[in-house]
Amino acid sequence: GQQLNQSPQSMFIQEGEDVSMNCTSSSIFNTWLWYKQDPGEGPVLLIALYKAGELTSNGRLTAQFGITRKDSFLNISASIPSDVGIYFCAGLLLGGATNKLIFGTGTLLAVQP
Amino acid sequence: EPEVTQTPSHQVTQMGQEVILRCVPISNHLYFYWYRQILGQKVEFLVSFYNNEISEKSEIFDDQFSVERPDGSNFTLKIRSTKLEDSAMYFCASRFDTEAFFGQGTRLTVV
Repeated sequence: GQQLNQSPQSMFIQEGEDVSMNCTSSSIFNTWLWYKQDPGEGPVLLIALYKAGELTSNGRLTAQFGITRKDSFLNISASIPSDVGIYFCAGLLLGGATNKLIFGTGTLLAVQP
Repeated sequence: EPEVTQTPSHQVTQMGQEVILRCVPISNHLYFYWYRQILGQKVEFLVSFYNNEISEKSEIFDDQFSVERPDGSNFTLKIRSTKLEDSAMYFCASRFDTEAFFGQGTRLTVV
């Protein structure tokens, strides 16, 4: 089945640093979504990307839909302590009876004040 | 702001018992999902549901699992005979178009 690999697996950074993480797949997706999950909570949608090459921002977050439609990256600028959590990419595959939303392996972000 | 709600937040059950996890998706959404997350691990797709039937299911979603949309608002996941390895967080999600929104999850503990 489809696999989404995220890297890095974890990051430990100082407050104020910029962060970059990416997600790669062996399959093409129609839409890429980025989520953040806090401990014990459900994933919260951060950014949605709809077409190849698209670059979208949400505050300090910027994400891009790769040209090949098989990858995406997320940047966080000027990190703050509340950015701590697990970040997941998710790929949505649509077509015919297909209606699948697949999650990446996750990137754990720790921010030291 | 509309949200996906899940009940209960925590369920403890004995091995072999049946459990039903409940979800109320966002009201105008058409596509529904269940996911499982074992502690510290990734979010695993279980099943997708559209137009009152299963669209796709993963290899995890075996005969022990079933989903139902019994009325216009609820979307349930039933596990017929729970096993210890079913202990996990279970998340429901719904979407209208391309953006999927998740509930807060039900923590299932099988003892």
